[in-house]
Amino acid sequence: QVQLQQSGPGLVKPSQTLSLTCAISGDSVSSNSASWNWIRQSPSRGLEWLGRTYSRSKWYNDYGFSVKSRITINPDTSKNQFSLQVNSVTPEDTAVYYCVREVGSNRYGFYFDNWGQGTLVTVSS
Amino acid sequence: QSVLTQPPSASGTPGQRVTISCSGGSSNIGGNTVNWYQQLPGTAPKLLIYSNNQRPSGVPDRFSGSKSGTSASLAISGLQSEDEADYYCSAWDDSLNGRYVFGTGTKVTVL
Repeated sequence: QVQLQQSGPGLVKPSQTLSLTCAISGDSVSSNSASWNWIRQSPSRGLEWLGRTYSRSKWYNDYGFSVKSRITINPDTSKNQFSLQVNSVTPEDTAVYYCVREVGSNRYGFYFDNWGQGTLVTVSS
Repeated sequence: QSVLTQPPSASGTPGQRVTISCSGGSSNIGGNTVNWYQQLPGTAPKLLIYSNNQRPSGVPDRFSGSKSGTSASLAISGLQSEDEADYYCSAWDDSLNGRYVFGTGTKVTVL
C-alpha cells in the first residue's frame, strides 16, 4: 500500500522560499510507471497543479505555467522522497499543498491515485 | 484559475440520483480522459473515477462517469449520507506546454 508523508514548515515569510518534502513508502520515486506531483488548493485558486518529476531511463520535470519561473521539484533517490521549492513567495501562495502519485497508461489515461495528507502553508510576516 | 466549469452545488435526498456536469474545451476534455475526485471535509481528495468511466477498486458502483465531446458527467445513484462531499473533475490540458486542470468543484448536500 502506497503512503505519502509530507513534512515542512507551515509558515513562510514573504519573499522567502517555501520548501516541502514528501516521503514515499510502498513505491519508489525511481519507478518507471509513476510520476510524483505537487498540487495545491486554496479558496481563491481552487485546485492547482504545480508540477511533477518522473524517471523514464532519465529524469524529467514538468511545471505548471503559473509557477514555472519560481518552482523546483527534485527527487531524492537515497531517501525515496521528492521535494518542492517555491521561490519568492507572496500571500497568494498561501494554500494547502499536497504531494500526489500519478499512474496510468496511454490506453486508459493518467490519474492521481494516492495523495499525501496535505500541509497548510501560510505566507505571512 | 480553474479551467473546467462545474455547478457550485447539487443536492438530493437519500436514495435519489444526483448528476454533476463538467464543461471544458477541445484542449482538455475534448482530447483527453476525465477523472473525478471526491473530497470529504478536512481530507485530501480521493480518486473516484478515472478514464472517463472506470471505478478504482473499492469505489461503489453507484458512482458512474461519462464523457461526450468537451463535457463530462458524474452520477451518484442511491445517494447516501456519506456521499456529502466536494467533487472535482480533472483532465490533462494540451495548451501552455501541457498541464493538469481541475474543475471549480461541486458541493453535494444530502438533504
